[in-house]
Amino acid sequence: SQQGEEDPQALSIQEGENATMNCSYKTSINNLQWYRQNSGRGLVHLILIRSNEREKHSGRLRVTLDTSKKSSSLLITASRAADTASYFCATEGGTSYGKLTFGQGTILTVHP
Amino acid sequence: DAMVIQNPRYQVTQFGKPVTLSCSQTLNHNVMYWYQQKSSQAPKLLFHYYDKDFNNEADTPDNFQSRRPNTSFCFLDIRSPGLGDAAMYLCATSRGTSRETQYFGPGTRLLVL
Repeated sequence: SQQGEEDPQALSIQEGENATMNCSYKTSINNLQWYRQNSGRGLVHLILIRSNEREKHSGRLRVTLDTSKKSSSLLITASRAADTASYFCATEGGTSYGKLTFGQGTILTVHP
Repeated sequence: DAMVIQNPRYQVTQFGKPVTLSCSQTLNHNVMYWYQQKSSQAPKLLFHYYDKDFNNEADTPDNFQSRRPNTSFCFLDIRSPGLGDAAMYLCATSRGTSRETQYFGPGTRLLVL
């Protein structure tokens, strides 16, 4: 069964606004990762948050993890047109070492 | 500097004609993965190698096979491509298997005619 589900499926904002994407999952995890994919390209790793962490920052990115609710959020602050891409969460399960299960992704469009 | 390289970037094949996709890495990582990503869908893991140990996902069709002749190279062989195999195929690497970042190549888009 699919592990990660993302919300919203698509998000359209203006440059300078913040973008928030959410991810929910069903079973216990070791960690949760966020990846970005530009159209027709490979995925680029953004951030990894371990199951015992609640929040992590990297530049304009802020990721939260709530294991009690089995959910995570990715916040991009002060968005830029270059942030336009698909964003995927991926979970590494409790017994599936190294196996990442990806969510369906959120398509983010940032208008200049 | 390219770290995970996939060739070709675009591949067109005919229904039933075997095709091989190539991946190489300059990171000296132990683990190499192959994912299939269909249009507007999540990447789906097909199999991975930890060094020479091959790990197949339970729902990967028998039509898909892989070879890893050395640390740097990994191949995806599709023995008899069907129309449903048209997708982006992504190669990724990581140092180990647990709690590791995966580094992805740019992908090979396969079209089956």
